[in-house]
Amino acid sequence: NAGVTQTPKFQVLKTGQSMTLQCAQDMNHNSMYWYRQDPGMGLRLIYYSASEGTTDKGEVPNGYNVSRLNKREFSLRLESAAPSQTSVYFCASSSRQVLGEQYFGPGTRLTVT
Amino acid sequence: SQELEQSPQSLIVQEGKNLTINCTSSKTLYGLYWYKQKYGEGLIFLMMLQKGGEEKSHEKITAKLDEKKQQSSLHITASQPSHAGIYLCGADEGPSNTGKLIFGQGTTLQVKP
Repeated sequence: NAGVTQTPKFQVLKTGQSMTLQCAQDMNHNSMYWYRQDPGMGLRLIYYSASEGTTDKGEVPNGYNVSRLNKREFSLRLESAAPSQTSVYFCASSSRQVLGEQYFGPGTRLTVT
Repeated sequence: SQELEQSPQSLIVQEGKNLTINCTSSKTLYGLYWYKQKYGEGLIFLMMLQKGGEEKSHEKITAKLDEKKQQSSLHITASQPSHAGIYLCGADEGPSNTGKLIFGQGTTLQVKP
């Protein structure tokens, strides 16, 4: 089992460019999440998906869109990147029983210049 | 909105020493989760606490949730270099099991051999 995988690991964008962060899990989990981690801020939830076909906003959704492509995959899109979106992005998944017990991917380090 | 405050923000201990990390919530805790993060990697789930007074242990790490359910502590006995990393507490946003977590800002632990 690979667990939760994320691509790319690193990315540099210029302001205004767009990109999609990919996430996939092979644990047959229903719920998936996207977080961003910034120094001194902890992790903040961007979007989550309770099951295939559903998505909902988290604490900091502005500037992002998501797609739950199927049960395995959950992508995060930045339509017009801004320097404030420079961060480390983590994808996570969890089973139905205890949703707070989440399995995290290795992260994508994004820099917007 | 609920906030989690961790203390201390950083900690340096000599190998073999005991240490405690605290997580204090501005509201009642319904589910409290401890995670560990190594630098440059994703989070790893350690333990979950739900009931006031609950205590759980895993190897040399013990976590407690106080009776009033607004504070949790993580205690490491006889610390080892393998314990080094960032410890984060996370909490359910509300009484419903949604998986929407808020996190503290993290405590960075260094263990000197």
